[in-house]
Amino acid sequence: DSGVTQTPKHLITATGQRVTLRCSPRSGDLSVYWYQQSLDQGLQFLIQYYNGEERAKGNILERFSAQQFPDLHSELNLSSLELGDSALYFCASSIRDRGPGNTIYFGEGSWLTVV
Amino acid sequence: AQKITQTQPGMFVQEKEAVTLDCTYDTSDQSYGLFWYKQPSSGEMIFLIYQGSYDEQNATEGRYSLNFQKARKSANLVISASQLGDSAMYFCAMREGFNNNDMRFGAGTRLTVKP
Repeated sequence: DSGVTQTPKHLITATGQRVTLRCSPRSGDLSVYWYQQSLDQGLQFLIQYYNGEERAKGNILERFSAQQFPDLHSELNLSSLELGDSALYFCASSIRDRGPGNTIYFGEGSWLTVV
Repeated sequence: AQKITQTQPGMFVQEKEAVTLDCTYDTSDQSYGLFWYKQPSSGEMIFLIYQGSYDEQNATEGRYSLNFQKARKSANLVISASQLGDSAMYFCAMREGFNNNDMRFGAGTRLTVKP
């Protein structure tokens, strides 16, 4: 158990809908990351927050948004869902926001299926 | 350009034998960190081991060791005394420098341990 908690674990929704994925980082971690893992794209970095502020953006679509709240939990909002958005979405956390030795720890992931 | 290369899509090993999973990386930074993660079929990403670019000794964590060859830019994972539970996807990852928030992942190697 990494200490990173993600909900829901599984989600099935229809195209065009909107979903929210929730993440609680490990105790003491200030940085939260979101990753998307699909069969054809591999593991893709979406976005990072550190202590409530956005720190880095990766391949995140405009239909997707995220935020980190004062209690450090984070939410990833996915809207106007398409079939291609079906993937495993990971939240991860780390103590710092950067640095070569800054290990990130992943949650168990949220499986999203868009039908 | 691909930063992390894992050339073995799939590997097989007999139970109780050792196996080496290859990883090469590309960076111009002097400070960087190398990581290995395990992803069982259940989906979660489990942190295994970390090697810093300035570490003089190869990292070890239980049955996992990292064969770090800096000049060759390789960071191979060695699993000793393989167990059936080691069957999983294994990802090599890298963080570059002190100002880079991102962690880059390779495409992964699927390891199957045979009884």
